[in-house]
Amino acid sequence: EVQLVESGGGLIKPGGSLRLSCAVSGFTFSNAWMSWVRQAPGRGLEWVGRIKSKIDGRATDYAAPVKGRFIISGDDSKDTLYLQMNSLKTEDTGVYYCTTLNDFGDDTSGYWGQGTLVTVSS
Amino acid sequence: SYELTQPLSVSVALGQTASITCGGKNIGRKSVLWFQQKPGQAPVLVLYRDNNRPSGIPEAFSGSSSGNTATLTITRAQAGDEADYYCQVWDSSTAVFGGGTKLTVL
Repeated sequence: EVQLVESGGGLIKPGGSLRLSCAVSGFTFSNAWMSWVRQAPGRGLEWVGRIKSKIDGRATDYAAPVKGRFIISGDDSKDTLYLQMNSLKTEDTGVYYCTTLNDFGDDTSGYWGQGTLVTVSS
Repeated sequence: SYELTQPLSVSVALGQTASITCGGKNIGRKSVLWFQQKPGQAPVLVLYRDNNRPSGIPEAFSGSSSGNTATLTITRAQAGDEADYYCQVWDSSTAVFGGGTKLTVL
């Protein structure tokens, strides 16, 4: 059974940093392309960024609002995906989902975690 | 940047057919995914590559895509289908979501 479990969310002041983790099981993490997707309160889904598989060099792409502030990485030895968030802004507030959403457009994009809430507020 | 346009809301009578559109430039040339999201829950993939259902998704869900419009169709709508629906594509290594459509089953 595929499982994605996020952790690390919480309340953080503007300008601060936070690291989210996503522990995965049920598939070979090192072979997976994965994304982070967020959802502000009462709003729609917004893609944050994507990391390619180990064999594809763990290359990353980011959405414009987070580029230069957020970093996605993966630890293949721990089967864990990370999202390092720096210089946080109030508009970064929302639920952050770890997901297998990838560029292939097939059903491998169908696994999502339960989400972790990040609140950026003074 | 690429944009996807969805109606804010769609209503359907119980047991009837609902259609939710997703507009984007030449979307017919892209692989469209559709996600269902119920309140307080993570999104669920209901269609991929325009009209393919993941295992466990009822046959009531179908899709099409041509030109500048993709459509999610739900036949014999049930109360349990009431949810937000999002279309999604990739454009230049960037994932794009539509704004979402709230489906109400009357």
